[in-house]
Amino acid sequence: GAVVSQHPSRVICKSGTSVKIECRSLDFQATTMFWYRQFPKKSLMLMATSNEGSKATYEQGVEKDKFLINHASLTLSTLTVTSAHPEDSSFYICSARDRNRAEHYGYTFGSGTRLTVV
Amino acid sequence: AQKITQTQPGMFVQEKEAVTLDCTYDTSDPSYGLFWYKQPSSGEMIFLIYQGSYDQQNATEGRYSLNFQKARKSANLVISASQLGDSAMYFCAMREPSNYQLIWGAGTKLIIKP
Repeated sequence: GAVVSQHPSRVICKSGTSVKIECRSLDFQATTMFWYRQFPKKSLMLMATSNEGSKATYEQGVEKDKFLINHASLTLSTLTVTSAHPEDSSFYICSARDRNRAEHYGYTFGSGTRLTVV
Repeated sequence: AQKITQTQPGMFVQEKEAVTLDCTYDTSDPSYGLFWYKQPSSGEMIFLIYQGSYDQQNATEGRYSLNFQKARKSANLVISASQLGDSAMYFCAMREPSNYQLIWGAGTKLIIKP
């Protein structure tokens, strides 16, 4: 079945450094990638939507210079948290959509990345 | 604007009992899709069931069924014969037809008691 590999699953970084999170679709083409942020015991909050080969569309209130999203190929999308601060600590999860795939009705989620900034 | 409402922040259910998780939605679009996902403490999002707005029958997937009442705009998830492993957060979501984004409910934390 469709699988999205998300790495790392957990990362601890120092304040001021940058962290890159990768999502790879293993056996399908991720024409669209959604990036979410989730606070403890809360719902998923959409950060941005990216289509392969084009710039990401960010949701209102999300700093595009801080959360850099790259979707250069149909199998890889990355989220880079630049100059991370403790308030960026959160659970980040990606969801890939393949418009040609009916499995799970088109959405496949990564396993998530728990980011802690100290 | 499209919206998903889950009114039960938490539920305790005895093992082996059936449980119904509520979800209501609001949309003016005639074409939409409704999803239920399970999120255990590990964080992964597990797809459970899907209902399309034009589907004539309620969706079923094993122990999961979706009680789709279109006129009332509700899409409740029914879990039959609950198990300890069903303890998790459950999210209802609706697909936006224009850009395929998912609109999420606040979630329900389900705890199954032995």
